[in-house]
Amino acid sequence: DQQVKQNSPSLSVQEGRISILNCDYTNSMFDYFLWYKKYPAEGPTFLISISSIKDKNEDGRFTVFLNKSAKHLSLHIVPSQPGDSAVYFCAASNSGTYKYIFGTGTRLKVLA
Amino acid sequence: EAEVAQSPRYKITEKSQAVAFWCDPISGHATLYWYRQILGQGPELLVQFQDESVVDDSQLPKDRFSAERLKGVDSTLKIQPAELGDSAMYLCASSPGEETQYFGPGTRLLVL
Repeated sequence: DQQVKQNSPSLSVQEGRISILNCDYTNSMFDYFLWYKKYPAEGPTFLISISSIKDKNEDGRFTVFLNKSAKHLSLHIVPSQPGDSAVYFCAASNSGTYKYIFGTGTRLKVLA
Repeated sequence: EAEVAQSPRYKITEKSQAVAFWCDPISGHATLYWYRQILGQGPELLVQFQDESVVDDSQLPKDRFSAERLKGVDSTLKIQPAELGDSAMYLCASSPGEETQYFGPGTRLLVL
């Protein structure tokens, strides 16, 4: 049973436009969420997080939105740059357990 | 900037052989994780340490996998004997006890 789902395995976006990556979860106990970016042959790099007490968190070009009622979160990248091309993972946890369930990832390709 | 160190970066072995991976977390990080990532999937937790104690090893195949963190600092993950299905990226992550985990570059294992 996949508790964290990223239903789009890949996404292509033109440079300068907005990239929207989606993530759905099923466990209502999850209350802390992370997004990671992963380049080939490297470990995941932390991007941005959000707690369930918020519905939005912004850091530069990256914004994460959380819709608790829909059990859905999304990562917006504006404007998208070719260097953003990577695999993006969302991860969810019940805060305090420090144990995360990861989605299967979305491969983003930003076209120059 | 402090990083999680892992070695080796790549390992090729024959099935039924023993392999071992090493991880040195960021200094001061009490929590250490080992994940396995199969191509096309997200990282899956194998074992979680808090200092030298195992917090969660429910997904660790204990008939062939073992992990230790004897002094609560660096850690070793061992597979004996290796099987073809063990081919994957093995990721180590650490955390200072907050929600964010920081990953190392990973060890890519190929079992022939």
